[in-house]
Amino acid sequence: EDQVTQSPEALRLQEGESSSLNCSYTVSGLRGLFWYRQDPGKGPEFLFTLYSAGEEKEKERLKATLTKKESFLHITAPKPEDSATYLCAVQGGSNYKLTFGKGTLLTVNP
Amino acid sequence: GAVVSQHPSRVICKSGTSVKIECRSLDFQATTMFWYRQFPKKSLMLMATSNEGSKATYEQGVEKDKFLINHASLTLSTLTVTSAHPEDSSFYICSARVQGGTADTQYFGPGTRLTVL
Repeated sequence: EDQVTQSPEALRLQEGESSSLNCSYTVSGLRGLFWYRQDPGKGPEFLFTLYSAGEEKEKERLKATLTKKESFLHITAPKPEDSATYLCAVQGGSNYKLTFGKGTLLTVNP
Repeated sequence: GAVVSQHPSRVICKSGTSVKIECRSLDFQATTMFWYRQFPKKSLMLMATSNEGSKATYEQGVEKDKFLINHASLTLSTLTVTSAHPEDSSFYICSARVQGGTADTQYFGPGTRLTVL
């Protein structure tokens, strides 16, 4: 059974204070690892897909990296508008379903 | 691209009534859509997989007679909560699958907040 564990559960940063969110996973035959952002009362917004260890992707202040056991979402010089819950999910084997972690609630204070 | 809409965004109904939620892919065709449920401060729980032109596949523990899913076209899936009760109150989110070479990406709708009185 695929499993995804995200840490920390919650993270408070000051504006401009860079940090990283962690996503550890176990999956049989990784097809893709996904990062989503979810604002309160909204559906998840797609950020990145990573396919293989060593891959990196960037979007504005966010950078996602992938190893064989975990993924990191690095946030550089965050702004208050980056405050949200960040969800990690994996897709494995021949199954196109997503297995989600519980998310990291990021709060960026001005 | 890859925009998914849901309607309504919020619905309040009386116990015992049925509620229909629509999920549309606006700028692409989706042979597969998914329905999730999310409790406060919890992650997404997959309820069922909706395939165009065939019966939905429900996850273990989800009552198929209570949560009716219809995927009548390549851009529309509907979830009907039948004989709703207060315990069905939740945030329901759909997603549509975009097939890729290695992995399929799911794009999510904005969600529907259901409150059953």
